Amino acid sequence: DTAVSQTPKYLVTQMGNDKSIKCEQNLGHDTMYWYKQDSKKFLKIMFSYNNKELIINETVPNRFSPKSPDKAHLNLHINSLELGDSAVYFCASSQASGGHYGYTFGSGTRLTVV
Amino acid sequence: TQLLEQSPQFLSIQEGENLTVYCNSSSVFSSLQWYRQEPGEGPVLLVTVVTGGEVKKLKRLTFQFGDARKDSSLHITAAQPGDTGLYLCAGEGGIIQGAQKLVFGQGTRLTINP
Repeated sequence: DTAVSQTPKYLVTQMGNDKSIKCEQNLGHDTMYWYKQDSKKFLKIMFSYNNKELIINETVPNRFSPKSPDKAHLNLHINSLELGDSAVYFCASSQASGGHYGYTFGSGTRLTVV
Repeated sequence: TQLLEQSPQFLSIQEGENLTVYCNSSSVFSSLQWYRQEPGEGPVLLVTVVTGGEVKKLKRLTFQFGDARKDSSLHITAAQPGDTGLYLCAGEGGIIQGAQKLVFGQGTRLTINP
């Protein structure tokens, strides 16, 4: 059983399109995240949800909209895709309640905007 | 803004050699985590260090957290080809309503040649 699963694995789309990436975790974690990894492998936080509530919202264009229907799912919708959005997007989850437990990452979605 | 700098960014050595990767910051972190990422996969947590001066061992890998909790190192003894990968350090800036906000270093790409 995959702990954090993302779909799709690869996404190639044209500029201006709207696309969604889905994420599900079966670990029972309360907190989920979206990170963006650029071509130099630098990982930067985008959003975090705790039990369906938005907690962290970094400086991300409002074309990106996360949605958490329940605490096991965190989806990312991107409107009007731009070339600069090309990157690998990682979903992750962590146990809350103050412990330094670290993240469990999904295997990533490689988004290519052409 | 909290930043983490890893060095070296690239390291290629022969099997059997020892190596050390450094992770430095001017900021204090609640904890420091080390991840390893394989191509096409998400980062996988190796260890979390929490207390200043803490040393943790994971087989041939030794992790140390600086006394002031601003830096960390990863030492690998007798490196093997299976150690090849991207090593990422991540500092936990704090927990916000259950969400751990991690700041990642830019990574060290390690290649162990047989």
